[in-house]
Amino acid sequence: DQQVKQNSPSLSVQEGRISILNCDYTNSMFDYFLWYKKYPAEGPTFLISISSIKDKNEDGRFTVFLNKSAKHLSLHIVPSQPGDSAVYFCAASATDKLIFGTGTRLQVFP
Amino acid sequence: EAGVTQFPSHSVIEKGQTVTLRCDPISGHDNLYWYRRVMGKEIKFLLHFVKESKQDESGMPNNRFLAERTGGTYSTLKVQPAELEDSGVYFCASSQDLGYSPLHFGNGTRLTVT
Repeated sequence: DQQVKQNSPSLSVQEGRISILNCDYTNSMFDYFLWYKKYPAEGPTFLISISSIKDKNEDGRFTVFLNKSAKHLSLHIVPSQPGDSAVYFCAASATDKLIFGTGTRLQVFP
Repeated sequence: EAGVTQFPSHSVIEKGQTVTLRCDPISGHDNLYWYRRVMGKEIKFLLHFVKESKQDESGMPNNRFLAERTGGTYSTLKVQPAELEDSGVYFCASSQDLGYSPLHFGNGTRLTVT
C-alpha cells in the first residue's frame, strides 16, 4: 500500500506561469516532508522541505504548503522556467528513511 | 565536496548471473541508504546503514540481495542470482545526520536483467 501518492503523472505549464504539484499521504506519523527534482540519468536532487510544525516554507521561486488535516502537501513554482522541466518527487519521513511518491513529470514550455 | 558516487552507471546481465553495485557516500556521512526505482514507479527504500551497521533492511526484496558496508565507508549491493524483476535503477544516498536532514543521492546504476 502506497503511503505517499502523487496522482498526477504529468503537468504541462507555460513559462512564467505557476506550477502546482500535489502530493497526498496516508501515514499520520509522517513529520518531515521533502520535494526532490530529478533530471534524466541523474539522481534526485533535494529542493525544499517542511516539518509538520509548519504549514508553509518558501525558498526563492519554490514554496511548499502542508495541510496536515487533509494529509496533503503541494509545491508551487512561480514563475516557472524551462529549466524547471523535470520529474518531481514528493517524500515523507517518520523515522530515518524517506518514503517517496511515484513522481510528477513537469514540462514548462515557452 | 565530492557527491555520492555510484559504479557502474549501467549494467546489463543475464538472468542467473551475479552483479555487484558500489556506492561511495559523501565523506563523513555516517548514514547510507539504498533505494530502487522500477520503471515509472516510486523510489523504493531498500536499506539503511549507520556506519557499518544495518539500521533497517526492511525494504530488501529477498535473500538474493546482499548489502555490505565494511569499515563504514563505501557500500556494495550484490544481487545473486539476478532475476528479470530486479531490473531498475538503484540509487544510493547518504546523509550526515538522522532525522530532519535531506538525503544526497548518487546518479544511480541502471540494471537490466535479460
